[in-house]
Amino acid sequence: EVQLLESGGGLVQPGGSLRLSCAASGFTFRSYAMSWVRQAPGKGLEWVSGIRDAGGNTYYADSVKGRLTISRDNSKNTLYLQMSSLRAEDTAVYYCAKERGERELLGYFGSWGQGTLVTVSS
Amino acid sequence: QSALTQPASVSGSPGQSITISCTGTSSDVGGYNYVSWYQQHPGKAPKLMIYDVSNRPSGVSNRFSGSKSGNTASLAIAGLQAEDEADYYCSAYTSFTTPFVFGTGTKVTVL
Repeated sequence: EVQLLESGGGLVQPGGSLRLSCAASGFTFRSYAMSWVRQAPGKGLEWVSGIRDAGGNTYYADSVKGRLTISRDNSKNTLYLQMSSLRAEDTAVYYCAKERGERELLGYFGSWGQGTLVTVSS
Repeated sequence: QSALTQPASVSGSPGQSITISCTGTSSDVGGYNYVSWYQQHPGKAPKLMIYDVSNRPSGVSNRFSGSKSGNTASLAIAGLQAEDEADYYCSAYTSFTTPFVFGTGTKVTVL
């Protein structure tokens, strides 16, 4: 069974930094592209960032480019999101999501974690 | 890159059929067949319901079907059931600098 477990969320001041982690199990992590998708309180889904299976190619939404960095450690089956220069509008539940097919990056998120809440406030 | 446009709400009685639209541009919905749909119940993570415009993942009821015409994709739910009450989001691959975009979301209410 695929399991994705996010951690690292919490309260941070504007301009601060935070690192989210997503521990994966139940599948061959190194064979799948992964993404982070966020949802502000009471709002819709927003794709934030994605990374290919080998980690060599990364992609970002314009709204976070230059402030958020996605990475992965295939030896630890873990996905990361380093967040810096955080703003109030970054407040959201952040979901880790696995692509449906091996070696694809098509935005077909077949498995999701339970999410971790990031609150940016003074 | 703006979100794809969906109606804010759609409702129907049990057993009826409903359709949710998702309108984009020729740079996303209209340009590629990489359209997907997600169902999200309150407080839960989204669930993939449709991919490649019209394909259902294993385990998804055949009451759910997807289609596309021009820049608009659609999700149809036949034989509406109480458990179908949820938020639904479309998503598409885009040729913009942000490679994926979600729709604005539609709240489905079963009357």
